[in-house]
Amino acid sequence: DIQMTQSPSTLSASVGDRVIITCRASQSISHWLAWYQQNPGKAPKLLVYMASNLESGVPSRFSGSGSGTEFTLTISSLQPDDFATYYCQQYNTYPYTFGQGTKVDI
Amino acid sequence: QVQLVQSGAEVKKPGASVKVSCKASGYTFSAYYIHWVRQAPGQGLEWMGILNPTDGSTTFAQKFHGKITVTRDTSTSTVYMELSSLVSDDTAVFYCARESGSYRGIFDYWGQGTLVTVSS
Repeated sequence: DIQMTQSPSTLSASVGDRVIITCRASQSISHWLAWYQQNPGKAPKLLVYMASNLESGVPSRFSGSGSGTEFTLTISSLQPDDFATYYCQQYNTYPYTFGQGTKVDI
Repeated sequence: QVQLVQSGAEVKKPGASVKVSCKASGYTFSAYYIHWVRQAPGQGLEWMGILNPTDGSTTFAQKFHGKITVTRDTSTSTVYMELSSLVSDDTAVFYCARESGSYRGIFDYWGQGTLVTVSS
């Protein structure tokens, strides 16, 4: 199975901060990577697919980059709604696998 | 609008089985794969498997082979996920999610989640 490793596990930030979350794959997954946001008690929400494509309706302060084994999710200016947990997911091969999550808190 | 509505929370004893439903609406049921994702309490997301609603074929993560059965009822646009021989470690929230029709492998709509608690 492809292992996905996110860093950091927890990130403390303030409104207006620029935040970068990293996701590493144990083998190349080309650009087959998605990012999700999850708030407590809620289902995940798709933010980015194919490593850098923003899902419709997602604010432009979110952006994704990377290919192969190294990927990043950037929030250019953190807003109150952005305090949540973020997961990367590879869909290059079954079984699809997720990173362990990055919690962004105040 | 697209909706996936899951059945309510369940409490089961060890050794029992549980069947969780996921009712789809707002789109052509047979045109989109459905996935199941598990989230243990305080833990991350874990992909369990996929159902092709057209023919009912499934693919599961190796660790869930023999543990999970996924079926569908096309007349009601409902997918069912059954977990057998429950143990306490099966306690989790289970999500169904629709795979995007434009881009394979990503989940564009999710159910609200179903908490299954296994306790004696």
